[in-house]
Amino acid sequence: QVQLVESGGGVVQPGGSLRLSCAASGFSFNYYGMHWVRQAPGKGLEWVAFIRYDGSNADYADSVRGRFTISRDNSNNTLYLQMNNLSAEDTAVFFCAKDSGYGHNLANWFDSWGQGTLVTVSS
Amino acid sequence: DIQMTQSPSSLSASVGDRVTITCRASQSISSYLHWYQQKPGKAPKLLIYAASNLQSGVSSRFSGSGSGTDFTLTISSLQPEDFATYYCQQSSSTLLTFGGGTKVEIK
Repeated sequence: QVQLVESGGGVVQPGGSLRLSCAASGFSFNYYGMHWVRQAPGKGLEWVAFIRYDGSNADYADSVRGRFTISRDNSNNTLYLQMNNLSAEDTAVFFCAKDSGYGHNLANWFDSWGQGTLVTVSS
Repeated sequence: DIQMTQSPSSLSASVGDRVTITCRASQSISSYLHWYQQKPGKAPKLLIYAASNLQSGVSSRFSGSGSGTDFTLTISSLQPEDFATYYCQQSSSTLLTFGGGTKVEIK
C-alpha cells in the first residue's frame, strides 16, 4: 500500500532554513506528481507546492514562492521541500501528498497523504 | 486566486442524521471540486473527487454533487466514525485552494 513518511521538521529561528523530506513507497513514485500541503496549528489546509512526476515543472502558492523549493529524487523515491527565510507564519504541520493523476495526466487532487511533520518558527 | 467558502463552519448532529455541507467557489470551477475528511491529529483522507466520484474504499453513505460554483457533500446516515472536519478543495486553477473546513460534532 502507499506509504508516505515525512521527516525534517523541527524548531528554527525566524530567517532560518529547513529541508523537509518525504520517503515514498508502495507505488511507482516516478510516475506521479507530488504536493506539499501545510496546516497551521488549529487552522485549515493550505496547498504549498507541486512537482510533476519527472521533476520538469513545479508550482507554488503565492505565500511561499521565492522562498520554498520543491524537488524530487526519483532514484530514491524521495520528495523534498527546501524552505528558506522562514517566518512565524510558516509554523505548521507539513504533509506530503500524492497526486491522483498518472504521468502526464495531472489530477491536482490528493489520494494519499503522509502523517505530517511539524515545523515551528520561533526565536 | 479562487476562494472557496464552506458552510456551516461547524454543526452538531446525532448518529443517524442526514448531514449536508456546502462549498461555494468564487468563480465557476466546473466539476474540479474534491472533498476530504480529517480527524484530529491525522492526515486528511480523500472522500470524493471531481464533485461526485466516490474514492475507492470510502463508504457509500458519502456522496457529492454540484457543478459550477455550488457543491454539496452529503452524509446519508451519520456514523460515530464520521465526526471529523471536512474540507473542499478546487483544482480548476493550478493555484489549488481549500475551503475553511466544516467541523461535524456530536449533538
